[in-house]
Amino acid sequence: GNSVTQMEGPVTLSEEAFLTINCTYTATGYPSLFWYVQYPGEGLQLLLKATKADDKGSNKGFEATYRKETTSFHLEKGSVQVSDSAVYFCALTTRTQGGSEKLVFGKGTKLTVNP
Amino acid sequence: NAGVMQNPRHLVRRRGQEARLRCSPMKGHSHVYWYRQLPEEGLKFMVYLQKENIIDESGMPKERFSAEFPKEGPSILRIQQVVRGDSAAYFCASSPSGPNTGELFFGEGSRLTVL
Repeated sequence: GNSVTQMEGPVTLSEEAFLTINCTYTATGYPSLFWYVQYPGEGLQLLLKATKADDKGSNKGFEATYRKETTSFHLEKGSVQVSDSAVYFCALTTRTQGGSEKLVFGKGTKLTVNP
Repeated sequence: NAGVMQNPRHLVRRRGQEARLRCSPMKGHSHVYWYRQLPEEGLKFMVYLQKENIIDESGMPKERFSAEFPKEGPSILRIQQVVRGDSAAYFCASSPSGPNTGELFFGEGSRLTVL
């Protein structure tokens, strides 16, 4: 079935550093790809998404491009802030046994940004 | 517009007891998903329900676990005869019409501790 592999954490950066969190996927068909973020003690929130090859999702300074040729959806931000400290999850849609779709998540990458 | 509401936020049970976790989806959402997050791991899909129907329960352990989403009232995830390995955060998510657009709206989770 469809699956997601993202880089192991934790990742620790200084404020204003450049961030990359790698995500690659295995899928049949053409899944949609997502990044979700989980702040401490909270549920997950959608950060950005891309629904087809070469699409770029962006939000709050974060970007990720759907690369079909490398089956990747790496998350990047040019200058991180302390408030970006969170766990980031890469995810994709996969078809369920009933024909509908569900989201499959990677293991998450914990980011800590120090002032 | 209230978000996804889960309760209790924290639940402590002794081995052998039952745990009931409740989830009220966002207003207008008829699709509910349950995920389990074990310490240091990502989210694992458990079950996908629509009103009164289980669409996909492929991630649900065959024994002791059950889920429902009745016509009236919240979705319930029930764990009978809990064991220490059931200790985890259980997240509920909802969507208005299936995950085709990919965005799930998550609750803040219910953290189960089994003593």
